[in-house]
Amino acid sequence: GAVVSQHPSRVICKSGTSVKIECRSLDFQATTMFWYRQFPKKSLMLMATSNEGSKATYEQGVEKDKFLINHASLTLSTLTVTSAHPEDSSFYICSARFSYEQYFGPGTRLTVT
Amino acid sequence: AQSVTQLGSHVSVSEGALVLLRCNYSSSVPPYLFWYVQYPNQGLQLLLKYTTGATLVKGINGFEAEFKKSETSFHLTKPSAHMSDAAEYFCAVTITGGFKTIFGAGTRLFVKA
Repeated sequence: GAVVSQHPSRVICKSGTSVKIECRSLDFQATTMFWYRQFPKKSLMLMATSNEGSKATYEQGVEKDKFLINHASLTLSTLTVTSAHPEDSSFYICSARFSYEQYFGPGTRLTVT
Repeated sequence: AQSVTQLGSHVSVSEGALVLLRCNYSSSVPPYLFWYVQYPNQGLQLLLKYTTGATLVKGINGFEAEFKKSETSFHLTKPSAHMSDAAEYFCAVTITGGFKTIFGAGTRLFVKA
């Protein structure tokens, strides 16, 4: 089946720094990728839809200047958390769309100290 | 607008007992329906999906779900629970031809020995 990877799996950063998370579709091309945030014991919250070669579409309430998304190729989307704060600590999951299905990455645990 | 409701944030069953996780959806057009499983600190794994055709769909690990249009339901079942089934389960809906997937709040399944 389709495989999606995320890197890094875990990251700890200091408050005020920026962190980049990569999402790659390993064996298929994905024109559309999604970024989700998951709070402890909660469901996935869609943050944005990442479209290859164009600007991402952000969900209401998500700060686009804080969560920068770049989808420069058909196999790679990146999420950069800028000027991270402790409240940005969360589990971030990406997915890549193939036909009508989404294939999920393993997630990235971000801890901001 | 689409929505997904999972009844019961926690379900506890004994090993060997029937597993029933409930999911109801709201959609103005025929949806694609999915069940995912998530183990701690991991991404989502697709259990099964309904797109068209047979309304009873079988997935991995002995799970199955039945699409009931009249009840707008897509409940997940497994005849005999195993300890390894303990995890978080998410029901999700994508509208036909759409790009976004909406997730339910999740149901945590506990399996008692």
